[in-house]
Amino acid sequence: DVKVTQSSRYLVKRTGEKVFLECVQDMDHENMFWYRQDPGLGLRLIYFSYDVKMKEKGDIPEGYSVSREKKERFSLILESASTNQTSMYLCASSKHTGGSDQPQHFGDGTRLSIL
Amino acid sequence: DQQVKQNSPSLSVQEGRISILNCDYTNSMFDYFLWYKKYPAEGPTFLISISSIKDKNEDGRFTVFLNKSAKHLSLHIVPSQPGDSAVYFCAASVNSNTGKLIFGQGTTLQVKP
Repeated sequence: DVKVTQSSRYLVKRTGEKVFLECVQDMDHENMFWYRQDPGLGLRLIYFSYDVKMKEKGDIPEGYSVSREKKERFSLILESASTNQTSMYLCASSKHTGGSDQPQHFGDGTRLSIL
Repeated sequence: DQQVKQNSPSLSVQEGRISILNCDYTNSMFDYFLWYKKYPAEGPTFLISISSIKDKNEDGRFTVFLNKSAKHLSLHIVPSQPGDSAVYFCAASVNSNTGKLIFGQGTTLQVKP
């Protein structure tokens, strides 16, 4: 079974802090993704990576950056946390097969509150 | 611009009856569609998918129908069970090389005993 592990289930930080969210997958997947989930807005893609050291902006990258130094680990960084970044953050991974029939596998999420 | 839309925020059905969740999309280049289920405090889990070259895919109690001309897909759950109560997201595949998906807003299904 694919395991995607997010380092924290709940996190409380202060405005202006630099925040790191970590995600590790154990299935040698090439693709990794960071989403945020907000009520009524569904899952919105922040950044994704299809290979080590490669990254692509998603739909809402402003205020975030990412790092992928190893294949199994994908980090999301909030450079200077703001209250509008309070949200549920979800990490996912998928295998690159050249087709679209490999679903993304998700971690259990990090509920981040910025005070 | 919302390319994948789930226009019903919530749905309530009686146990044993059929649940039908709907999803509309605008991009005719999508090549795969997927449904995910999400319980509170857990990540979404993959439920079922369908290729754009098919119009139906079935897996146990779950069937997904695709109407390409109408750019519409639906998920049927028969019979519905209380354990099916969750948020359901439809998603569409944008780029087969990156695995990128675009998700709808989600529909909360409540199955009453």
